[in-house]
Amino acid sequence: EPEVTQTPSHQVTQMGQEVILRCVPISNHLYFYWYRQILGQKVEFLVSFYNNEISEKSEIFDDQFSVERPDGSNFTLKIRSTKLEDSAMYFCASSDGRGQSEQYFGPGTRLTVT
Amino acid sequence: GQNIDQPTEMTATEGAIVQINCTYQTSGFNGLFWYQQHAGEAPTFLSYNVLDGLEEKGRFSSFLSRSKGYSYLLLKELQMKDSASYLCAVRDLGNRDDKIIFGKGTRLHILP
Repeated sequence: EPEVTQTPSHQVTQMGQEVILRCVPISNHLYFYWYRQILGQKVEFLVSFYNNEISEKSEIFDDQFSVERPDGSNFTLKIRSTKLEDSAMYFCASSDGRGQSEQYFGPGTRLTVT
Repeated sequence: GQNIDQPTEMTATEGAIVQINCTYQTSGFNGLFWYQQHAGEAPTFLSYNVLDGLEEKGRFSSFLSRSKGYSYLLLKELQMKDSASYLCAVRDLGNRDDKIIFGKGTRLHILP
């Protein structure tokens, strides 16, 4: 069964450093998403991406964040200058449509900022 | 604003039935999801409701009343593996696309 994959599973970085989290969505999906979940808290929407551009973003997704689909398979989230409060699990998701289409979540990348 | 409320924790017995409620207030509404999340894992899709009424899928059913801003997830014939968090999430209309707004989740404990 096709699945969303994410690398790395765990990333440790120092405050102020740039990190890139990588995702490979399901191959025939067209809609891509990033979410984050701070330990013990709720899942929070960051951004949605369709047709090579951001279609929606939340207040969390400020200028420190960017997304890119550099080729036909990868979908990346970059945090330019990490802060302690960016420590969280970051989930990538993809779907083949909008509306009732199920979003398939990847296993997540745990980001620890020290 | 956006607000999704669900109980923090619930306990039920193996083989029993449990109902997890969710109430929501959003500026726009375009459907409601239920997800299951085991500790340390990603959410997995359970159900989606956009019209009022009950959707049944095996042991799990989900109900929606848009006029009341209310949904519930019904789990029947509970199994130990159903111990998990259950996340209510609303598809909220954004400026160009929809955002999925998650509740804090209900942690369900199943007792033998």
